[in-house]
Amino acid sequence: ETGVTQSPTHLIKTRGQQVTLRCSSQSGHNTVSWYQQALGQGPQFIFQYYREEENGRGNFPPRFSGLQFPNYSSELNVNALELDDSALYLCASSLTSGRNTGELFFGEGSRLTVL
Amino acid sequence: KNEVEQSPQNLTAQEGEFITINCSYSVGISALHWLQQHPGGGIVSLFMLSSGKKKHGRLIATINIQEKHSSLHITASHPRDSAVYICANFGNEKLTFGTGTRLTIIP
Repeated sequence: ETGVTQSPTHLIKTRGQQVTLRCSSQSGHNTVSWYQQALGQGPQFIFQYYREEENGRGNFPPRFSGLQFPNYSSELNVNALELDDSALYLCASSLTSGRNTGELFFGEGSRLTVL
Repeated sequence: KNEVEQSPQNLTAQEGEFITINCSYSVGISALHWLQQHPGGGIVSLFMLSSGKKKHGRLIATINIQEKHSSLHITASHPRDSAVYICANFGNEKLTFGTGTRLTIIP
């Protein structure tokens, strides 16, 4: 039990639709990061938010966007869904102090299927 | 470009054996993470280290900053250690994951 919760756990969308995934950080953590893991592949870093601002991004197009709220919970939004967006989406929270980001605590993930 | 390579990709061993998984990275780091992922998707953080060595139970992680290399060791391996082990390096403002090592421990 990491204290990081994600919702929904599973969802099905059709191509072209939009989706919002949610993540509640562990208490006291100020940093949240999002990852995409396709079936049989390793996680790929999407982006990271620190104190409500994006401070790192992987190789994902602009239709992947995010928000971090004052309570440090976060959303991942994906517009114009494509079939290849089908994956497990993981979030992780951590505590950043200065330039150092601490241990990552992962949620159980949201499994998205795009038909 | 930050690249992270792990070896071996797959490892099968008998219960009780000493296990070593290696990770090499190309960009200087603030911290290197070792993660464990069981079937079904849940990821657990095992270690975060930026120098030296850390130990937790039967798991030991070491890092050599000059050589840009880290190792994860498991002593007295057990079937419940069977999982995918992933190293990840935060460099160039993004977290890059290794390809993972699938470990299977046979009773």
